[in-house]
Amino acid sequence: DAGVIQSPRHEVTEMGQEVTLRCKPISGHDYLFWYRQTMMRGLELLIYFNNNVPIDDSGMPEDRFSAKMPNASFSTLKIQPSEPRDSAVYFCASSTTTGRLDTQYFGPGTRLTVL
Amino acid sequence: QKEVEQNSGPLSVPEGAIASLNCTYSDRGSQSFFWYRQYSGKSPELIMFIYSNGDKEDGRFTAQLNKASQYVSLLIRDSQPSDSATYLCAVAGGSYIPTFGRGTSLIVHP
Repeated sequence: DAGVIQSPRHEVTEMGQEVTLRCKPISGHDYLFWYRQTMMRGLELLIYFNNNVPIDDSGMPEDRFSAKMPNASFSTLKIQPSEPRDSAVYFCASSTTTGRLDTQYFGPGTRLTVL
Repeated sequence: QKEVEQNSGPLSVPEGAIASLNCTYSDRGSQSFFWYRQYSGKSPELIMFIYSNGDKEDGRFTAQLNKASQYVSLLIRDSQPSDSATYLCAVAGGSYIPTFGRGTSLIVHP
C-alpha cells in the first residue's frame, strides 16, 4: 500500500491567492482527517470526515478555509484568500472504521508558505 | 479550552541514558493518551498509547499515566542518537478530537 498521499509537497504562494491542498487516503479507510502544524500552535485538527461526510469542522480557523471529500479516495483543503499566517505544514491522515488517533496514518504533509 | 503542556526543551541526554519526557493536560475527562515521535521535516509517528493509570511498556519505551495528577510521561531507556527528535504528547476524550502539545525536542549525544 502506498500510504496516504498528499500533493503538492511544497507550495509557495502570494497573499490573496487561492491554495488547494490534496489528499488521497489509504484504500478502505473510512475516516479522513486534516491537521495543521505551526511552531506557535503545534498540531491542530481542522476537520474530519467519515464516509465522505464532514463530521466535525470546529477546528477550521475561519471561513477562508473549506474542505471537501467528493469520493472515498480524494479530499481537498482550500484556502481562499490565503494570508501569511496560514503558512504551516498541513497533514492529512486516514484511519479504519474506529477513527481513533492510534489508528490514524499520517501523510507526508504539505508545507505551505504564503508570502 | 483544553490544553496539553510540554516543556519545549531541548532535553539533552547522553547515549545509553534514560530520557524522561513529561506532559500535563487540563481536561479531566480525557480518556486516551498518545506519544508521537517526529523527525524534522517528517510526519508524526505513533510510539505509544495508554488508556489506564499505571505503566505500559513496549521495548525501550514506557508510558506512564497518572489521571489524578493529570500527568503522562514517556521514558526512553538506553537512548540512542536515532531517538533524537521532537516528541509530541496528545490527549483525546470520547470523540476523535485530539489535543496535541507543542512537543519536546530530545537530543541524544554520543
